[in-house]
Amino acid sequence: AQRVTQPEKLLSVFKGAPVELKCNYSYSGSPELFWYVQYSRQRLQLLLRHISRESIKGFTADLNKGETSFHLKKPFAQEEDSAMYYCALKTNYGKLTFGQGTILTVHP
Amino acid sequence: NAGVTQTPKFQVLKTGQSMTLQCAQDMNHEYMSWYRQDPGMGLRLIHYSVGAGITDQGEVPNGYNVSRSTTEDFPLRLLSAAPSQTSVYFCASSGSGFRKSSYNEQFFGPGTRLTVL
Repeated sequence: AQRVTQPEKLLSVFKGAPVELKCNYSYSGSPELFWYVQYSRQRLQLLLRHISRESIKGFTADLNKGETSFHLKKPFAQEEDSAMYYCALKTNYGKLTFGQGTILTVHP
Repeated sequence: NAGVTQTPKFQVLKTGQSMTLQCAQDMNHEYMSWYRQDPGMGLRLIHYSVGAGITDQGEVPNGYNVSRSTTEDFPLRLLSAAPSQTSVYFCASSGSGFRKSSYNEQFFGPGTRLTVL
C-alpha cells in the first residue's frame, strides 16, 4: 500500500536560513510526487511537482528513488513562506495520498 | 471562473443530525474528491468520483455518502453526525476540460469547517 511520511509536524527557522521539509514515500509503482501548500486562511494549492523539475518561489524538490524521498528545500527562507506544507503521492485515477503535513514557521 | 466552491463555510451539528456539504466546480473536470483534514493526520480521502454516475470509496468512507449526478456537483452527505466527524472538509477536482490540470494537479475548494457536538 502507498504511504507518505512527513516526520516533522513543526519546523521553525529564522529568515534567511536554509530550510528542508522532509518527505518519504512507499509505493510499488512509479511515483508521481507533489508538494502542496496551505497559507493561513487560504485554500490548499499546488506548489510544485517532481515531473516538471521546476523551482517555485525559490523552492525545489528532487525525487530520490533510492532513498524513496522527495524533500522540499529552499536556500533562504522568507517570512511569507510560513505555512502548512503537504507532500502527496499520486496513485490511480488521480487519487492523492497525503502526508501528515509540516507547519513551517519563519521567524524575522 | 469560480473554480471549486464549497458551502457552507462553517457548520455546527448535534450528534445524530444529518446534513449535506455542497461542492461544485465549473472547470468540466472529470475527477472530484472529498478529503477531511485533521491535526496530525494530514488529508485523508473520503470518497472520489471519476465521472458523472461513478463514485468509489477512499480511505475513510464510513459515515459518509456521495453521489455524482452531474459533472459539476459532488455533494457529501453525513447520515448521522458523530463527534468524530468534527473536521475541516475539502473538495477537489482535476482532469481535462475548461481548465486543464496538468500533471494531475488537483484544485481545492476553500473548505468547510464542521463541528459536531
